[in-house]
Amino acid sequence: EDQVTQSPEALRLQEGESSSLNCSYTVSGLRGLFWYRQDPGKGPEFLFTLYSAGEEKEKERLKATLTKKESFLHITAPKPEDSATYLCAVQRNFGNEKLTFGTGTRLTIIP
Amino acid sequence: EAGVAQSPRYKIIEKRQSVAFWCNPISGHATLYWYQQILGQGPKLLIQFQNNGVVDDSQLPKDRFSAERLKGVDSTLKIQPAKLEDSAVYLCASSFLGGLTGELFFGEGSRLTVL
Repeated sequence: EDQVTQSPEALRLQEGESSSLNCSYTVSGLRGLFWYRQDPGKGPEFLFTLYSAGEEKEKERLKATLTKKESFLHITAPKPEDSATYLCAVQRNFGNEKLTFGTGTRLTIIP
Repeated sequence: EAGVAQSPRYKIIEKRQSVAFWCNPISGHATLYWYQQILGQGPKLLIQFQNNGVVDDSQLPKDRFSAERLKGVDSTLKIQPAKLEDSAVYLCASSFLGGLTGELFFGEGSRLTVL
């Protein structure tokens, strides 16, 4: 069974303090790894897709990277509006396109 | 472009009662998903439709949950009878390419509280 483990569960940073969120995964044949952002009371919002080890994607202050066992979401000089829960999900290389989500990292940026 | 619409946003029921949630996906999206998100957890897929047909319902508790997607557009998820452990947010999502890119568009969810 596919497994996705995210750490830490929660992270509090001062505005401008860079850090990284971790997503480790176990899946039989990875088709893709995905990062989503979820604000309180909202549905998840798609951020990135990573397909192969060594791949990187960037969007504003966020950069996602992928290895064969884990992915990192690097946040550079975060702002209060980056506060949210960040979810990681994996998709198998065969079968249907079901996404298996982790439990997320709740990020709080303090002004 | 209109997003995924869900209703109701909130519902409180007693255990053993029934409840139904409605979802209208983004126009043109053939694939529709229902996810269950329990507080503090990630979303868990309940059922996936491709047009009218069911692609995956392996994690749907079929003794109490049912879902349909008539005419390949709107969908309804029903729970009957509800249990305490069904308290969760029910998220509907849709995708254009059947999720191949991993880009799902989620609605705001329907929060269910079972007392």
